[in-house]
This record gives sequence, C-alpha cells and structure tokens, in this order.
Amino acid sequence: AQSVTQLGSHVSVSEGALVLLRCNYSSSVPPYLFWYVQYPNQGLQLLLKYTSAATLVKGINGFEAEFKKSETSFHLTKPSAHMRDAAEYFCATTLSGFGNEKLTFGTGTRLTIIP
Amino acid sequence: DTGVSQDPRHKITKRGQNVTFRCDPISEHNRLYWYRQTLGQGPEFLTYFQNEAQLEKSRLLSDRFSAERPKGSFSTLEIQRTEQGDSAMYLCASSLAGQGAPEAFFGQGTRLTVV
Repeated sequence: AQSVTQLGSHVSVSEGALVLLRCNYSSSVPPYLFWYVQYPNQGLQLLLKYTSAATLVKGINGFEAEFKKSETSFHLTKPSAHMRDAAEYFCATTLSGFGNEKLTFGTGTRLTIIP
Repeated sequence: DTGVSQDPRHKITKRGQNVTFRCDPISEHNRLYWYRQTLGQGPEFLTYFQNEAQLEKSRLLSDRFSAERPKGSFSTLEIQRTEQGDSAMYLCASSLAGQGAPEAFFGQGTRLTVV
C-alpha cells in the first residue's frame, strides 16, 4: 500500500528565509503526490501536485516541490517565507490509474514564521 | 460555484445522541469523499461515492456510521449513538473522475465535539 511520511511535525523559519518541508513516499507503483495547506479551522487547499509530467512542480503562493525517485522524496520548498505561510502542511498520495483516487495523508507539519 | 460546502461547521452533542452532517460538492463533480481528521493527524479516508453509488468504505467506518448520496449530488454522513472518540473534524471533498491526476476540493469541515 502507498504511504507518505512527513519528517518534522513542527518547523519554524524566520520571515524571508527558505522554507523546506520534507515528505518521503512509499509506493510499489508510480504515485501521484500532493501538497495541501490547512489554515486553522479550515479545510484543505491544494498547493501543487505531481503527476509524472515533470519532476519539478510549481504551485500556488510561490511553493514548489521536486520529485526525486532515487530518494523517494517530494519535499516542499519556498525561497522566502511570508507571515501568511504559517499553517499546517500535508503531503498526500494516491495510486495513479487505480480507481477511486482516495488520498492517503501524512501526519502534517506545522509551519511557524518568526517575524 | 462557490466550492464544497459543509453544514454545520460546528456541532456539540451529548454522548449517545445521533448527528447528521451534510456536504454539497462542486456541482459537476461526480466523486465525493468523506475524511475524518483528529487533532494532530492528517485526514483519514472514510468512504467515497461515484455519483450515487457508495463504492468503498474504510474499516474506520463502524456500523454506527452511515453515508448516503441519494441523487448523486449532496451527501449526508450520520453517526448514531455518538461516542467521545467520534470527536473530530469531518471533511468532505469532491473531484471529477477521469481527469488524470485527481484534484480533490475540500470543504471547510464539520467539527464534532461529543461531551
């Protein structure tokens, strides 16, 4: 079965610094991979998705992620953090072409931005 | 269209009572999912519908839980004889099948507190 592991339940960065949130996947077949953001008491918003078309995926709000098969990773980055980036971030996966497309989520990383 | 909407946003109920939540998906989306999210965790898949057919249920969905999507549009999730362990955020999502990589749009969730 496919799964994702997020390393670091809490990450703090200074405003303007690089944001790096880590996600490793486990799958026996090529996965689809996603990053979602969740603000307090809100639902989830899709930041970006990997579908095998390109290994570097650009998303909304200046975020991007790189799919590295050799490292089974899909880390999320942003060159310069803003205060509004403070939120919970979830990596998720689903199997490509295998039916219901239900998402399997990681446990999340809470991002804090230090002014 | 304003996206996926869920009602109510918050529900406090006494243990043993029944509760029902509603989800209105994006109108052209034929797939509808329910997820449950507990504090500090990522969302966990509960069940999904394609049109009006419920095609998969997670083992997390005990016999006290039932979901319907009678006309392939809105869906309801009912919990009978609520227990304190049912306290969680219940998230609904919808997507359009057959569009390559799925893009699930989430509602803002219903937060259930069982006292």
